Amino acid sequence: DTGVSQDPRHKITKRGQNVTFRCDPISEHNRLYWYRQTLGQGPEFLTYFQNEAQLEKSRLLSDRFSAERPKGSFSTLEIQRTEQGDSAMYLCASSRGGSGEKLFFGSGTQLSVL
Amino acid sequence: DQQVKQNSPSLSVQEGRISILNCDYTNSMFDYFLWYKKYPAEGPTFLISISSIKDKNEDGRFTVFLNKSAKHLSLHIVPSQPGDSAVYFCAASEGSGTYKYIFGTGTRLKVLA
Repeated sequence: DTGVSQDPRHKITKRGQNVTFRCDPISEHNRLYWYRQTLGQGPEFLTYFQNEAQLEKSRLLSDRFSAERPKGSFSTLEIQRTEQGDSAMYLCASSRGGSGEKLFFGSGTQLSVL
Repeated sequence: DQQVKQNSPSLSVQEGRISILNCDYTNSMFDYFLWYKKYPAEGPTFLISISSIKDKNEDGRFTVFLNKSAKHLSLHIVPSQPGDSAVYFCAASEGSGTYKYIFGTGTRLKVLA
């Protein structure tokens, strides 16, 4: 169990640029989640995958955001035309699947949009 | 619409005493609850969970109580230690049909030596 890995840990970008984050879940986990956390708030659900299928997306996920999990293993989250309001910690989590499974989180990617 | 609420943003407790962190929810369909601890610049770490079929679950110094009629859960830490100082989040899931977890806004616990 090597844990959930996220890359990069920090990203500074200028407004209008595109950014992409990567998440490697725990290898035997079927479900993969993306959350966003801003200062003083709890993690907000963005989307989740069951294997390679994206099963649910939050309305927080505007059309500038896209997530993929092409082979049911790692996932990428891309933000196009970044805005200052996108500045946040982006957290990835994975779980085995089934009801009541706990989420294992990565350390997150801290995005700062200047 | 905040379905999971942690109304106390912060709590200070003396080392060795009990810490009680509270969480309220509005969605009666929630059937699984988790508590996470988060240190700065790290991802949340799982602490303890409880299913709606139970009203109590213990794991070492940590106990979670669930009161379904009041839509309230609490996390008890006994005895509190300085290393427990962190932000604590409760999270809830509807379970079948959707597997996303909704998180509260967190309570910052400070354990004073």
